[in-house]
Amino acid sequence: GEDVEQSLFLSVREGDSSVINCTYTDSSSTYLYWYKQEPGAGLQLLTYIFSNMDMKQDQRLTVLLNKKDKHLSLRIADTQTGDSAIYFCAESIGSGGGADGLTFGKGTHLIIQP
Amino acid sequence: SAVISQKPSRDICQRGTSLTIQCQVDSQVTMMFWYRQQPGQSLTLIATANQGSEATYESGFVIDKFPISRPNLTFSTLTVSNMSPEDSSIYLCSVGGGPSYNEQFFGPGTRLTVL
Repeated sequence: GEDVEQSLFLSVREGDSSVINCTYTDSSSTYLYWYKQEPGAGLQLLTYIFSNMDMKQDQRLTVLLNKKDKHLSLRIADTQTGDSAIYFCAESIGSGGGADGLTFGKGTHLIIQP
Repeated sequence: SAVISQKPSRDICQRGTSLTIQCQVDSQVTMMFWYRQQPGQSLTLIATANQGSEATYESGFVIDKFPISRPNLTFSTLTVSNMSPEDSSIYLCSVGGGPSYNEQFFGPGTRLTVL
């Protein structure tokens, strides 16, 4: 079955880069996602990557995918206090991307130190 | 991205009762899903809401406990039946397979507390 693992906490200083890591087990997953959840708020889709890609960049966000090791990372450049949130990694259960259900990791709490 | 609303946003219910949660999206979408997020936990997929047919449930979830309707492409309901305190969770609907086919967007969630 599918399983997605993340470390629970990450603490970084404001202005530094944050790197949030994720491992997944389902080799048939076609799409992998990063969501952000701020306290009391819903899930915000940050970005996603197709499994035949190695990297995707979107402004301050860089996603790296190592399909061989089933390892996904999200790098946030110049981390700001507004980046403080829980970041969830998720994989599509099938090959339909957004048209499939997702399996989520437990989420990484990103803590920003001044 | 799709604009998704859920009603109610929160509720406090007595054990043994049922609550129906509504999910409305502002555009026609292929897929609608229901998830549960228990306190301090990750999200777990409950079921896929199929338009015009019975929902597809994930392991550990059954229709008698979580009946789902999807009468059209923009609306779905999830009922939490015969509630117990263990059902206290945030329930979220999501949509996918729309114009941004590979993206899946989430509603704001319904925070349910069962006493």
